[in-house]
Amino acid sequence: SAVISQKPSRDICQRGTSLTIQCQVDSQVTMMFWYRQQPGQSLTLIATANQGSEATYESGFVIDKFPISRPNLTFSTLTVSNMSPEDSSIYLCSVGQGETEAFFGQGTRLTVV
Amino acid sequence: GNSVTQMEGPVTLSEEAFLTINCTYTATGYPSLFWYVQYPGEGLQLLLKATKADDKGSNKGFEATYRKETTSFHLEKGSVQVSDSAVYFCALSVDDKIIFGKGTRLHILP
Repeated sequence: SAVISQKPSRDICQRGTSLTIQCQVDSQVTMMFWYRQQPGQSLTLIATANQGSEATYESGFVIDKFPISRPNLTFSTLTVSNMSPEDSSIYLCSVGQGETEAFFGQGTRLTVV
Repeated sequence: GNSVTQMEGPVTLSEEAFLTINCTYTATGYPSLFWYVQYPGEGLQLLLKATKADDKGSNKGFEATYRKETTSFHLEKGSVQVSDSAVYFCALSVDDKIIFGKGTRLHILP
């Protein structure tokens, strides 16, 4: 199993600003995943972060808007840049995919005003 | 493409009632199927999974059977409890990515 600590747990931000979300895992993992959960919607994969290489972004998400860092095998950050109210969502960090169990952080609830 | 469709909620039941939450999927290849649960104030956690056709996943009294012929993975429980109140997500995994349904909120009344 894996324990994921994510922070901040919530924040209210002004439009036009940026917020960096941190994700810490209690074990070394190859891939870390960032999801967005908009109100009343499903979880949508933003990108996959591998240590030592550029993150791989899903369709509809770009690095300029959601830059990701992965400095080591236990840590990653996601930045939501130049925020607008449409970015208000829950952002989740995850590890473990494929046939095995995926583990999730408790999420960061972002409100942009 | 790959997608998951699950019944919309909220679903409200009385304690000890029978529960079914429908889930169907579309996938290329042979996905693994999952049910995740999110209790109030907590993160998502795996409830059960099935990795191939006809497998049955089970946990905490919940069951789901991987039906390839109907591309379904319906979640069932014979007698729900108030503590089962949560949001339930059906999901599939293919090519090392997980795709989630929209989630079904379940309310159990005492």
